[in-house]
Amino acid sequence: IMLTQSPATLSVTPGESISLSCRASQSISTNLHWYQQKPNESPRVLIKYASQSISGIPSRFSGSGSGTDFTLNINRVEPEDFSVYYCQQSNSWPWTFGGGTKLELK
Amino acid sequence: QVQLKESGPGLVQPSQTLSLTCTVSGFSLTSYSVHWVRQHSGKSLEWMGRMWSDGDTSYNSAFTSRLSISRDTSKSQVFLKMNSLQTEDTGTYYCARGDGYTDYWGQGVMVTVSS
Repeated sequence: IMLTQSPATLSVTPGESISLSCRASQSISTNLHWYQQKPNESPRVLIKYASQSISGIPSRFSGSGSGTDFTLNINRVEPEDFSVYYCQQSNSWPWTFGGGTKLELK
Repeated sequence: QVQLKESGPGLVQPSQTLSLTCTVSGFSLTSYSVHWVRQHSGKSLEWMGRMWSDGDTSYNSAFTSRLSISRDTSKSQVFLKMNSLQTEDTGTYYCARGDGYTDYWGQGVMVTVSS
């Protein structure tokens, strides 16, 4: 299953609210998870199963979607949010990741 | 607390075999799956394979013919062996815990394939 993320790069200023997209090549129900990766760090899960929150993750991160179209929302971007975001599907083997969206400072 | 740590050689010669170890703590390998994920520099993540909690394994078909994952539950270790390495196998290799999604990751080990 291929996951296509858009945009590849998003330039924003702190305080803006944004949406990142992830589209699957076939229906994956809600078996879609979002990760954040900062430079020289391991990925960190932000949202599980499309919309379920993760303990310890700020509430400004939220997810939605099902089937083939998914969205990660960040309400009022903070300076520490500038990093790369990946979606990942666990609906079928092999698990796959999207190509990533880089969130950069405008 | 839950921790995973990868170890292995930083440099491997082309055509040789890569052997990595993921040592875990804070949970049992008989309760959670452990995955191996690779990342080329500046690129996205590539799922390689999985050690299930029951000892079964699953592999990405892109690696099946040359990848093997095993474990030693008494030592809380999961092993990756991949043969016939090429320069394209250069990257950072992570182990991660999870069923459905991965909730804990190791710090990663950088592997360079070069003569």
